[in-house]
Amino acid sequence: GQNIDQPTEMTATEGAIVQINCTYQTSGFNGLFWYQQHAGEAPTFLSYNVLDGLEEKGRFSSFLSRSKGYSYLLLKELQMKDSASYLCAVLNQGGKLIFGQGTELSVKP
Amino acid sequence: GAVVSQHPSWVICKSGTSVKIECRSLDFQATTMFWYRQFPKQSLMLMATSNEGSKATYEQGVEKDKFLINHASLTLSTLTVTSAHPEDSSFYICSARDLETGSSYTFGSGTRLTVV
Repeated sequence: GQNIDQPTEMTATEGAIVQINCTYQTSGFNGLFWYQQHAGEAPTFLSYNVLDGLEEKGRFSSFLSRSKGYSYLLLKELQMKDSASYLCAVLNQGGKLIFGQGTELSVKP
Repeated sequence: GAVVSQHPSWVICKSGTSVKIECRSLDFQATTMFWYRQFPKQSLMLMATSNEGSKATYEQGVEKDKFLINHASLTLSTLTVTSAHPEDSSFYICSARDLETGSSYTFGSGTRLTVV
């Protein structure tokens, strides 16, 4: 089967750092994506990891460990506008993008 | 970057009627389009994969006779919800990948369907 797990919700303070974890078990692996989604809108692309290690892009970084079936999204210098749902998605060997349930992040002043 | 245009952005229809949702890839050719459904506070659930020039492949539990998918050209895929019922009310989103420019999957803006 296919299983992608991430916390349902998290709360953090403006200016702080937050790490959103994702573990996965899928039929094959061709990369892992992180998306940001605001309520009522389509997801927007944040990052893509296919090799082990850390990918940094501005305030956002994403890490992947294929042997552990684990990834995290790191958000630094949190801003109020970062309040959104963060979706972890795995591209399986069938070429399908399978999503986790999403993590609702609330950034408070 | 790659853009996928999705219409309509929202639609309200009566029970028993059909609704068509269109997704067009702009500036790139999408041989494959993915259709997702998202209920409130839940994640995106893959419904089907639309392939240009051939029949769509549906995920387990998705009724192919209810959710008709057509991929008539390399830039257009449509999802028709037939004989809609209130439980079909959801957020429908399409997605495509521009193989020439990168690994990112681009999403349409989504369609909020409300069946009354």
